[in-house]
Amino acid sequence: DAGITQSPRHKVTETGTPVTLRCHQTENHRYMYWYRQDPGHGLRLIHYSYGVKDTDKGEVSDGYSVSRSKTEDFLLTLESATSSQTSVYFCAISDYSNYGYTFGSGTRLTVV
Amino acid sequence: GENVEQHPSTLSVQEGDSAVIKCTYSDSASNYFPWYKQELGKRPQLIIDIRSNVGEKKDQRIAVTLNKTAKHFSLHITETQPEDSAVYFCAAGNTGNQFYFGTGTSLTVIP
Repeated sequence: DAGITQSPRHKVTETGTPVTLRCHQTENHRYMYWYRQDPGHGLRLIHYSYGVKDTDKGEVSDGYSVSRSKTEDFLLTLESATSSQTSVYFCAISDYSNYGYTFGSGTRLTVV
Repeated sequence: GENVEQHPSTLSVQEGDSAVIKCTYSDSASNYFPWYKQELGKRPQLIIDIRSNVGEKKDQRIAVTLNKTAKHFSLHITETQPEDSAVYFCAAGNTGNQFYFGTGTSLTVIP
């Protein structure tokens, strides 16, 4: 496949609970990204990483944190899930800046 | 930051006709413009891209044009087929490694 996997694929969680989504790549790409996809908004960047322990915020980072302790793994944590964070979350990777992304299959998160 | 606008939001064409999707961007520093196709329930996939030093790029039935002065770029699909039905996203990015996406165009090709 594309060398990038996301887990879990689906999750239902309760408001106020912490949630961690995982992105794992086997391509040894430097850059990793977390996006959320919502109807009418397209894809919006939450956080991205340009190397191990090097991360930065995107346009919709409030309520989210990330960690990258290894090249292959990029974790997205919802510190205290809210209903507004119900969305489809996509991880993406790229080898160089300004090159097209390869997306993971997505995680559908429902916060009830 | 960058602001990418995409039109139309929905587009229906007869099989064999052409489809055109247009995007505008606001940041003159953006220098890379990819297009993604997303089929229902699947991941977005890169179909074509263009850099700011190129005005046009073609790959079989799809082409992208870029007008840096006007800050707009377009996707052209010729001889459309039912399998072209999907949501298409444009994006704009710069050396900050952040891509900003348009809101998507749902293309339906009617057999």
